Amino acid sequence: DTGVSQDPRHKITKRGQNVTFRCDPISEHNRLYWYRQTLGQGPEFLTYFQNEAQLEKSRLLSDRFSAERPKGSFSTLEIQRTEQGDSAMYLCASSLGGETYNEQFFGPGTRLTVL
Amino acid sequence: AQSVTQLDSQVPVFEEAPVELRCNYSSSVSVYLFWYVQYPNQGLQLLLKYLSGSTLVESINGFEAEFNKSQTSFHLRKPSVHISDTAEYFCAVRPTGGGNKLTFGTGTQLKVEL
Repeated sequence: DTGVSQDPRHKITKRGQNVTFRCDPISEHNRLYWYRQTLGQGPEFLTYFQNEAQLEKSRLLSDRFSAERPKGSFSTLEIQRTEQGDSAMYLCASSLGGETYNEQFFGPGTRLTVL
Repeated sequence: AQSVTQLDSQVPVFEEAPVELRCNYSSSVSVYLFWYVQYPNQGLQLLLKYLSGSTLVESINGFEAEFNKSQTSFHLRKPSVHISDTAEYFCAVRPTGGGNKLTFGTGTQLKVEL
């Protein structure tokens, strides 16, 4: 399968714990995006990378959230001191770069439940 | 900033009946428009998009959407639905002039019944 993959698919944690999610984009894609989808809502943009550079961050991304893409390939999203409000589906997407439109391809998501 | 409104959270419909899922958007700049579909336990998939040109766009599985600039709408239609169309449908926009983030609506759950 050459699509976007995410790991783990499900994560249950206790409030206050740290969690880390991984996203592997389509191999030739240099842009990578993170979105969050809560119950009954559409996905909301969190952050975006072009290669290893984090170029845009949403105000939704509080100080407890950090995302990295160290070698311009896979990315990690870490949430420190999780809160119950962090429970959501975390989606990763990737696309080619450039000035023209390029489709974003989404992974299956990581569902986080904070108890 | 952009916003997308999908007023119908759920749309039940019988198989072979027509359906329309409504989408309205607000933006101070010109936008590209998209419909994504999310089948149970699967990721989001692009269903169709409007970038430029003809305001009527079609998907390979019989859906179509029409961009109406004056009404700022991009409603999704299908003349005859199938059980396999049961899914959640999201309307989204992205500025044409740069920026990469998609702004999504809250989604419409389409439930096709026999």
